[in-house]
Amino acid sequence: DAGVTQSPTHLIKTRGQQVTLRCSPISGHKSVSWYQQVLGQGPQFIFQYYEKEERGRGNFPDRFSARQFPNYSSELNVNALLLGDSALYLCASSLGNRQLYGYTFGSGTRLTVV
Amino acid sequence: AQKVTQAQTEISVVEKEDVTLDCVYETRDTTYYLFWYKQPPSGELVFLIRRNSFDEQNEISGRYSWNFQKSTSSFNFTITASQVVDSAVYFCALSENTGTASKLTFGTGTRLQVTL
Repeated sequence: DAGVTQSPTHLIKTRGQQVTLRCSPISGHKSVSWYQQVLGQGPQFIFQYYEKEERGRGNFPDRFSARQFPNYSSELNVNALLLGDSALYLCASSLGNRQLYGYTFGSGTRLTVV
Repeated sequence: AQKVTQAQTEISVVEKEDVTLDCVYETRDTTYYLFWYKQPPSGELVFLIRRNSFDEQNEISGRYSWNFQKSTSSFNFTITASQVVDSAVYFCALSENTGTASKLTFGTGTRLQVTL
């Protein structure tokens, strides 16, 4: 079975641009969460989506948005990129939106803003 | 607010030594889960173990063992007879249900370097 897949693996963007990151959860999983990991830090929660609805949001500006599709895949969008948005973006797949289900992470998308 | 503290920033050991990674957490919840993840240079977070707040039974799995003590809010992780392949960043994390969502709060990680 395929694990959590994220694309692209790496990308470089210029300040002010917009970026879209993609995540496909494990088959049968209906929840996708997004985390940002800045170099040298632990991952920080951005969003959780379950059954195509936003269920939770971390302390991130409105430049960050996401959506979940009927096949449960998800996209994370970041507008007006800042240098500080450079990070590893991790997607976590889960059966549902409660903690008891646990989380499986993808390999991440490494975003560099120049 | 939940908080996870990993006081050890970096640990270096020689292969075959035992090493313990410390984790202290803060939460007001009575029901929560604690996790350990391993992050190799590739970046993927590899799940190692999950414990719920009602299960204080410690566990040994091969070379790995975990010590969960609610009285001290600690969830420490030990690698016995370390190997070079154990070199990675290890994260302790605490989960919570928040309204209609659930999320993980991570510590800052401990970088483990195992040398020959």
